[in-house]
Formats: sequence, structure tokens, C-alpha cells
Amino acid sequence: SAVISQKPSRDICQRGTSLTIQCQVDSQVTMMFWYRQQPGQSLTLIATANQGSEATYESGFVIDKFPISRPNLTFSTLTVSNMSPEDSSIYLCSGSGGVQETQYFGPGTRLLVL
Amino acid sequence: RKEVEQDPGPFNVPEGATVAFNCTYSNSASQSFFWYRQDCRKEPKLLMSVYSSGNEDGRFTAQLNRASQYISLLIRDSKLSDSATYLCVSGYGNKLVFGAGTILRVKS
Repeated sequence: SAVISQKPSRDICQRGTSLTIQCQVDSQVTMMFWYRQQPGQSLTLIATANQGSEATYESGFVIDKFPISRPNLTFSTLTVSNMSPEDSSIYLCSGSGGVQETQYFGPGTRLLVL
Repeated sequence: RKEVEQDPGPFNVPEGATVAFNCTYSNSASQSFFWYRQDCRKEPKLLMSVYSSGNEDGRFTAQLNRASQYISLLIRDSKLSDSATYLCVSGYGNKLVFGAGTILRVKS
């Protein structure tokens, strides 16, 4: 299974600022994803990070708010832009070997926006 | 209606008990199914994949009924360490859809 790291592990941010979260995978994965998990709720897919091209966003999520980069197979970033308290959540990245393959998750980034 | 529905619980059971979780999914195009386990303040971790023929991994047995769009997880001889939230997951293409999870608390 892939080992996935994220940083920062947590942060407290002021309203209106932006935070970039980094995700590093220890082996090449075909697919990388970004999820959000709000308190007491399950995971919601934000987008699929595509290597070398624009991410594919799910309904309700837009590039201006959550710009994503994936410059190579093992690294991706998610930026939470112009943050508001409603963005307080856990953000998780995951990787998989391909379509219908198991996804493995990073430890998550806990974000609190004041 | 949520795409993957689970009873949120909590299920409070004594050590050694057998407990079963059920889950339904609404997307008939779903092709893959999983149970993930999530401990408090941790990331989800794969517990097992679920196949139509059913599969067993030690004390854990998973079943899939495609006709009823129903997935189950059976845990035998519960351990204190089994206490966690169990997430039912359906997948189509490269996307996973997570249920809200079922909380299990095993007590001595």
C-alpha cells in the first residue's frame, strides 16, 4: 500500500487568508484525490488531481476556491482560498493505483478558520 | 437521499459479541465496494473489499447483494480494539462515495 504524508497536519487561520496543503506519496500512483471531512460527517470528494493538467472538480467545488496542482505522479497541493469559518474541516488526500483500485489516505490536515 | 446510507449507531456491544452493519447504495452503476475503518481523529483505512461472492478476513465477513444494492459487514468475537467508525463505500469509475459511517463501541 502507498504511504501518504500531508503537511501541515493542522493550522489555525484568519478569515480571508489562504492555506496550501501538500500531499506526498511514497510511490507512483495513477490517481490522487482531495477530500473534505467536516465534523461528524463523512468524506466528500473535492476533486481528482490530474498530473500536468487541471483538476476535475465535483459539484459544489470550484477551482477559484480550491486550486489544485499535481506537477508529478507523487506530489499534489490543495489551496483553500479566501477562507471563511465554514471552511473549517479536515482535508485529506488519497492515492490509488488506478480505476477501481483501493484508495489510501494521508493523515489529514485539520483546519480551523477564525 | 444520500448515495450511500448507513445506520449511524452507535452500536454498543460487549467483548466477544457478534455485530452486523448494513449499508445500501443508490447508484446501480457502482462497480466496487469497500469497508473502511476510521479511528477517532485519524484517516480512513481500508478494512476490506467487498465482492458478490462474499469474502472473509479473520473475524470479518463482508457480503454484497447487487440485486438489493445492499452491503453488509459482520464482526465476530468483537475486541475492544474494534471500536471505531466503519465507513461503507461504493465506487464507480475512479470515484469513491462514502457513507456517513456506523459507530461501534466494544466494551469490557
